[in-house]
Amino acid sequence: GAVVSQHPSWVICKSGTSVKIECRSLDFQATTMFWYRQFPKQSLMLMATSNEGSKATYEQGVEKDKFLINHASLTLSTLTVTSAHPEDSSFYICRAAGGSNQPQHFGDGTRLSIL
Amino acid sequence: AQTVTQSQPEMSVQEAETVTLSCTYDTSESDYYLFWYKQPPSRQMILVIRQEAYKQQNATENRFSVNFQKAAKSFSLKISDSQLGDAAMYFCASDRDDKIIFGKGTRLHILP
Repeated sequence: GAVVSQHPSWVICKSGTSVKIECRSLDFQATTMFWYRQFPKQSLMLMATSNEGSKATYEQGVEKDKFLINHASLTLSTLTVTSAHPEDSSFYICRAAGGSNQPQHFGDGTRLSIL
Repeated sequence: AQTVTQSQPEMSVQEAETVTLSCTYDTSESDYYLFWYKQPPSRQMILVIRQEAYKQQNATENRFSVNFQKAAKSFSLKISDSQLGDAAMYFCASDRDDKIIFGKGTRLHILP
């Protein structure tokens, strides 16, 4: 079946580093990508929505300059956490959607730990 | 705003028994989807069941079934013949313009 590949699965880095997370749809065209964040023992919170070739739309309270989203192709979206700090440590997960009544699949997530 | 409410933070059920997880939602949409997702310790999001709001018939997937009450905006999940592998966080969710919005989740424990 359709698969969404998300990398890296786990990253540990120093405070102030920028971290890029990739989300690829392997066998379908993802017209829309959604990025979620999940803090420990909490639910998934939608951060932003991106359509291929367009600027991302961010949910209220999410800093667009801190979380840069690029969706340059129908199979790849990236989330860059710029100048990450310990409070950005979380589980980030993408969801790729191919349009109405088309496949929607989650990546396996990225555990980000900022020291 | 679209909201999803799960009022049971944790539940336990004896292996082989039946358990029902509750969910209510609020939406101004006339056509929408509702979901139950399972998140095991690996944190992978696994779609358990999906219900289209315009369909009156309750969705079923093997041991999993829903009780969809559109007027009451209720969408409960019933797990029959519970198995140890069913232990996980379960999230109820609704679809708003393709955005899936999640409830806070219910942690399900299976007692051997």
